[in-house]
Amino acid sequence: GEDVEQSLFLSVREGDSSVINCTYTDSSSTYLYWYKQEPGAGLQLLTYIFSNMDMKQDQRLTVLLNKKDKHLSLRIADTQTGDSAIYFCAESILAGGGNKLTFGTGTQLKVEL
Amino acid sequence: DAGVIQSPRHEVTEMGQEVTLRCKPISGHNSLFWYRQTMMRGLELLIYFNNNVPIDDSGMPEDRFSAKMPNASFSTLKIQPSEPRDSAVYFCASSFPQGLQETQYFGPGTRLLVL
Repeated sequence: GEDVEQSLFLSVREGDSSVINCTYTDSSSTYLYWYKQEPGAGLQLLTYIFSNMDMKQDQRLTVLLNKKDKHLSLRIADTQTGDSAIYFCAESILAGGGNKLTFGTGTQLKVEL
Repeated sequence: DAGVIQSPRHEVTEMGQEVTLRCKPISGHNSLFWYRQTMMRGLELLIYFNNNVPIDDSGMPEDRFSAKMPNASFSTLKIQPSEPRDSAVYFCASSFPQGLQETQYFGPGTRLLVL
């Protein structure tokens, strides 16, 4: 199966940490990605993690991967108002000689002052 | 590089009309993807090309939808005839695979409204 699920909304206060969760179903995923979509714009890559890793840190972003449970999370430290956006996780699967991404439903993050 | 370019950015048309969406991928990228985004269904992959050849069109909703990539720098997605349920934001993305890792770069999207 290729279902990728996320909670729809998350609200946090500025300065707090945000944790966005994602579950996927395909155990053959090679890479998992986090994309950000700001209003009226396309998706922009934030970070990615190889399926054999369990953690990746990139400045304020920390990605945790639990392959056994097929659970991916994105932690944003010191969340700012500019982080308000929709966040999509995606799993990558080899298909037809290329890499095919299946995106989650997206989590709308709202950062309040 | 200008990134992925899509045109038009907005399109309003009447039911039954033909709609053509255009995409110019990033130079040097050899994979191109068309997605549709709606509130109800989220982000759906419609079709993707590799080296100008359609690889997977299983996401194309029905025969009213067609996509072409005549060369490495241009692709079109056509809807004929259009219906109100086709209203959505259509994204084009391109990528250059580096082994199993492949970052897709998205265009700004075309917002389509079919009345």
